[in-house]
Amino acid sequence: DAGVTQSPTHLIKTRGQQVTLRCSPKSGHDTVSWYQQALGQGPQFIFQYYEEEERQRGNFPDRFSGHQFPNYSSELNVNALLLGDSALYLCASRPTGLAGNTIYFGEGSWLTVV
Amino acid sequence: DQQVKQNSPSLSVQEGRISILNCDYTNSMFDYFLWYKKYPAEGPTFLISISSIKDKNEDGRFTVFLNKSAKHLSLHIVPSQPGDSAVYFCAASYSGTYKYIFGTGTRLKVLA
Repeated sequence: DAGVTQSPTHLIKTRGQQVTLRCSPKSGHDTVSWYQQALGQGPQFIFQYYEEEERQRGNFPDRFSGHQFPNYSSELNVNALLLGDSALYLCASRPTGLAGNTIYFGEGSWLTVV
Repeated sequence: DQQVKQNSPSLSVQEGRISILNCDYTNSMFDYFLWYKKYPAEGPTFLISISSIKDKNEDGRFTVFLNKSAKHLSLHIVPSQPGDSAVYFCAASYSGTYKYIFGTGTRLKVLA
């Protein structure tokens, strides 16, 4: 039973560029959320997708956008990259229903903006 | 405004002894809490959870205690093992959101 998988694991981008990160949720999960973890900080909620729609959003600018596909996988897009966007980007999934309170994380994508 | 706080950045414990990691929160609406362990270069791994209708939940060597009146929760690890050395995060959420607010983490070092 595969867990949450993310790609790529590491990438380096230049300021002003755009990046797309990908996530496949754990089997049986249909809700995906994205978190940003800067060095020395805890993960911060970016947004959550369910039924291919953004359901909740954290305090992140519109440069951060996402998408969920019919197979429940998801993408996180960040436009006009800033140095401060350098962080570990974590995808988490959960099942719907009463069993859905716990979220399970992938290994993350390390983004470095230079 | 940090709604979830882990005031101890680090903790060292001897192998075999108890590790106690603390977490405070400010939002009384929070009703579900999670603890995660994170090794370097890996994603957070779920450890244990607790709902606000309980004050204790156990899973093997891990026990989480919730004191709602004090808005405080703690994770006890007994006995501590060197493999428990990692950063521990607490997270909180409230019904209907599933948006988790995380603390800044406590780095636990278990000394052999």
